[in-house]
Amino acid sequence: DQQVKQNSPSLSVQEGRISILNCDYTNSMFDYFLWYKKYPAEGPTFLISISSIKDKNEDGRFTVFLNKSAKHLSLHIVPSQPGDSAVYFCAASDGGGGADGLTFGKGTHLIIQP
Amino acid sequence: DVKVTQSSRYLVKRTGEKVFLECVQDMDHENMFWYRQDPGLGLRLIYFSYDVKMKEKGDIPEGYSVSREKKERFSLILESASTNQTSMYLCASSASGAADTQYFGPGTRLTVL
Repeated sequence: DQQVKQNSPSLSVQEGRISILNCDYTNSMFDYFLWYKKYPAEGPTFLISISSIKDKNEDGRFTVFLNKSAKHLSLHIVPSQPGDSAVYFCAASDGGGGADGLTFGKGTHLIIQP
Repeated sequence: DVKVTQSSRYLVKRTGEKVFLECVQDMDHENMFWYRQDPGLGLRLIYFSYDVKMKEKGDIPEGYSVSREKKERFSLILESASTNQTSMYLCASSASGAADTQYFGPGTRLTVL
């Protein structure tokens, strides 16, 4: 049973426009959410996170929104740049402080078109 | 900067061989993790450790074991490699005070023939 779902395997967005990546979760014990970015042949790198006590967190071009009632979060990238082309993983922590690992979604491949 | 290194970027082994994947982190992190990444399946947790000599099973521990003799080093062992263990293996670490934010190594692409 998949607890973190990224239903779009890929997303194509024009350079300069907004990219919106979505993530749904089923486990109500999740209290911390993260987005990781992964280039081919490299390990994932941490991008941005949000605690369940917040509904928005912003860092430069990246904003994460959390809707707890809908068990949904989204990552907004604006404006999108060619270097943003990568696979984005949504991840969640279940209140153990993350020491027992994160639960990852399957990833969304974002392609930024010139 | 946190640095997580993995001993090999690419590895080719034969079925039945014993395989060691090594991971070292230089930030004195308490927590270390091994994941595998497969197309269409995302990252799945194999084993993790929150202290020296401590280990816990993740979601898919079958066919694997781990060793953590020193804080900075976490090894993943495939006792008898099989073709279904062909995958990208990713090591990560995190601090106890911010355990949610994990730092990943570059990955080891293992092919079992």
